Amino acid sequence: QVQLVQSGAEVKKPGSSVKVSCKTSGGTFNSYGISWLRQAPGQGLEWMGGIIPIFRTANYAQKFQGRVTITADESTSTVYMELSSLRSEDTAVYYCARGPIIVVVITKYFQHWGQGTLVTVSS
Amino acid sequence: QSVLTQPPSASGTPGQRVTISCSGSSSNIGSNPVNWYQQLPGTAPKLLIHTNNQRPSGVPDRFSGSKSGTSASLAISGLQSEDEADYYCAAWDDSLSVWVFGGGTKLTVL
Repeated sequence: QVQLVQSGAEVKKPGSSVKVSCKTSGGTFNSYGISWLRQAPGQGLEWMGGIIPIFRTANYAQKFQGRVTITADESTSTVYMELSSLRSEDTAVYYCARGPIIVVVITKYFQHWGQGTLVTVSS
Repeated sequence: QSVLTQPPSASGTPGQRVTISCSGSSSNIGSNPVNWYQQLPGTAPKLLIHTNNQRPSGVPDRFSGSKSGTSASLAISGLQSEDEADYYCAAWDDSLSVWVFGGGTKLTVL
């Protein structure tokens, strides 16, 4: 049974950073790609980037280049997403999602999802 | 403004068939497979259709997908109250090098 379990809600100040974790179970960690997406309140889905752990390579949406870092820890089957220089517009639910690997694109589709992590950016 | 265009809302009565459209361009739908996600209120999205028309195991065959040129559509037959949700289409965009999504369609079962 596949599970992606994310870390808990965060409240951050503008200008600070947040690091969200996504612990995976079920299947082989290195057999999948994992993406991070976010959903602002009342809005649609937005892809931020992803990582293919077996290749140790990450790919980021240009919008987030320089502000987001996605890493993977094979020993704990956990993927992390760190977003820096937070602003109020970053307030959103952040999701990790796993799927079959396709290079560059990260996954062919988002097959399994984490439960989401609410990040609130407020002074 | 979303790269893929979906109607903001759709509705139907129980048992009816409804379709949700998704319009894109040659750099996304025109050259890559389309996936559909269902998001029930307050929950994470769920994969409904992948690779244009493939249903993951566990998804009822009431749900079907199709693609033609730069457009795709999701059809739901035998509409049920539990189908009330937001539906999103998605595709990789070769020009933008990102996954792009539709703005979502809120389905109401009357």
